[in-house]
Amino acid sequence: DAKTTQPTSMDCAEGRAANLPCNHSTISGNEYVYWYRQIHSQGPQYIIHGLKNNETNEMASLIITEDRKSSTLILPHATLRDTAVYYCIVIPQGGSEKLVFGKGTKLTVNP
Amino acid sequence: DAEITQSPRHKITETGRQVTLACHQTWNHNNMFWYRQDLGHGLRLIHYSYGVQDTNKGEVSDGYSVSRSNTEDLPLTLESAASSQTSVYFCASSPSGDRSIQYFGAGTRLSVL
Repeated sequence: DAKTTQPTSMDCAEGRAANLPCNHSTISGNEYVYWYRQIHSQGPQYIIHGLKNNETNEMASLIITEDRKSSTLILPHATLRDTAVYYCIVIPQGGSEKLVFGKGTKLTVNP
Repeated sequence: DAEITQSPRHKITETGRQVTLACHQTWNHNNMFWYRQDLGHGLRLIHYSYGVQDTNKGEVSDGYSVSRSNTEDLPLTLESAASSQTSVYFCASSPSGDRSIQYFGAGTRLSVL
C-alpha cells in the first residue's frame, strides 16, 4: 500500500476552516484515500474517503489533486470538538480488514 | 440510533487469568474487528470476522481468541492474561460493502498486573 506523509501538528481558530494536507505520491490507480480521526480517549472515527473526485459529506470535504499525489481534508467550520489526531491512509479497491494508521496530524482548534 | 458498545470500559486483572472483553453492535454489520492500540505501535489487528461462524487471525493474534455466534457480538478472550497484553482494545464493525469504513467502539482499557 502507498505510504502517506502528513504534518505532525496544526492549529486552527474556532469557526475557521481547517485544511489538513496529505501526500501520497506513490498511490496506485486503484487505491482510495481514506481519512479517520481519533479524539483523545475515544475510538477512531471514519470521516470520508475518495478515489479521484472531490467528495463532501456532513463532516468534511476531501479534495484530491488531479495527479492524485496529494489530498486535503477540509473541516469547513472547525469547533473545539474537532481537536483530534487526523489520519490519512491509502487502501486498495476492495478495502482492507486492517487499518494501518501512521502518526497523523494533531489538529488543535483554539478558541 | 445504531451503535457499537464495548464493555467493560476499564478492567484490571492478574497475570494468568482468563479475561473476556465484550463487543456488541446494532448496525447488523457482517464485518467485525478487534484491535489493540499501544504507544509506539499504533493500531494492530488482533482478529476479525466476516460473519457468523467466521473468524480470522490478524497480525497479533497469539494469546487471543474470538467466536462469532451471532451477527451482533464478537467477544475477545485472553486465554491467560499476560502483562504484555496491557493495552487499550478497540472493537469495530463495517458493512459488507466496504470493510475499510469501520465504526469503532469507545475502547476497553485493560491492565494486567
